[in-house]
Amino acid sequence: DAGVIQSPRHEVTEMGQEVTLRCKPISGHDYLFWYRQTMMRGLELLIYFNNNVPIDDSGMPEDRFSAKMPNASFSTLKIQPSEPRDSAVYFCASSLDNSNQPQHFGDGTRLSIL
Amino acid sequence: KQEVTQIPAALSVPEGENLVLNCSFTDSAIYNLQWFRQDPGKGLTSLLLIQSSQREQTSGRLNASLDKSSGRSTLYIAASQPGDSATYLCAVMYVGGFKTIFGAGTRLFVKA
Repeated sequence: DAGVIQSPRHEVTEMGQEVTLRCKPISGHDYLFWYRQTMMRGLELLIYFNNNVPIDDSGMPEDRFSAKMPNASFSTLKIQPSEPRDSAVYFCASSLDNSNQPQHFGDGTRLSIL
Repeated sequence: KQEVTQIPAALSVPEGENLVLNCSFTDSAIYNLQWFRQDPGKGLTSLLLIQSSQREQTSGRLNASLDKSSGRSTLYIAASQPGDSATYLCAVMYVGGFKTIFGAGTRLFVKA
């Protein structure tokens, strides 16, 4: 079975540009999570969806960040405008349910904002 | 504040040793606790998930325990191998939000 697929694997862009990260969850998984990992703050949950509906976005750092899940097989995380402090590794994960099944992670997108 | 703490931050052991990684959490009202492994440049791989009602889970050379009353979990790795070298993260899903809080991880190096 294919795991969680994220694209791109690496993104380097200049400050002020729009950045879009993409995720394809494992087929049949009802939950999708977006995380950010940095050396300073570790792994932080940004937002999660259940059946394509955003449930908790309290981890989204500010209005420059937005996430969508137009269907069960695709989600995007968008940053507009991007800033150097947004540089991090962004992970997408999915699970069958939220409390009884493990989360499966993609390999992440390493984002560098110059 | 709901937090997860992992000790030690880094650990180096010779091949073949048994070892224990520690995780502590601040609130006993949890749904589950997970242990993950992360290799450099990769995502996280779930190793073991312990439900709130369980005391331990085992998979091969790995055994994870959960003591909610003391807010502690341990990951026991038997007969360590160089391939076990990675960062191990503990994650707790607290009741009341379905949010998973991660510890900072323990970086393990097993010397051949």
